[in-house]
Amino acid sequence: DAKTTQPPSMDCAEGRAANLPCNHSTISGNEYVYWYRQIHSQGPQYIIHGLKNNETNEMASLIITEDRKSSTLILPHATLRDTAVYYCIVRVHGNQFYFGTGTSLTVIP
Amino acid sequence: SAVISQKPSRDICQRGTSLTIQCQVDSQVTMMFWYRQQPGQSLTLIATANQGSEATYESGFVIDKFPISRPNLTFSTLTVSNMSPEDSSIYLCSARRGTQYFGPGTRLLVL
Repeated sequence: DAKTTQPPSMDCAEGRAANLPCNHSTISGNEYVYWYRQIHSQGPQYIIHGLKNNETNEMASLIITEDRKSSTLILPHATLRDTAVYYCIVRVHGNQFYFGTGTSLTVIP
Repeated sequence: SAVISQKPSRDICQRGTSLTIQCQVDSQVTMMFWYRQQPGQSLTLIATANQGSEATYESGFVIDKFPISRPNLTFSTLTVSNMSPEDSSIYLCSARRGTQYFGPGTRLLVL
């Protein structure tokens, strides 16, 4: 599985957009980009995933660069409840998830 | 989606003993997984458990230490054997139904 690189921590003001970057420069053509988050003391929660195109759902948007070497998760209007560790994972469909170190996002009132 | 429950939610155990963690999924799934999360760390995959076959362990994890059962398509157990304080972690069950879902975890403290 391709390795991902994320900043260890970020802050975001409540109500503003949170943009979480992820580098996956060795990603293969058949590997998807997944985002999960883990709120303290809970199991990881699925957010969104994509292959090539940008994706949006009720939780977030995922922007994947044209060369697929990096992506950005966007939380459009961050709330205090979005404070969590966010994990970017790349994997071939059907294979196991291997978690990196993630980004600890703190939403500040 | 899939709803996953785990028992126990937490436990405190003495070194040298064993603990079996149960994982129940609310629907049938082919693939289930067990992860460990040591204090302040990310998740590490222990093994993949498919119904009807032996579990597949990741490097650094062995069946004698972490035996796994998968008796049907909705249930799995992970046993942490001959525990030491280094086994103090959160153990998470996961299942794939379309995407991959995680249980709430079992918090284990070994004294």
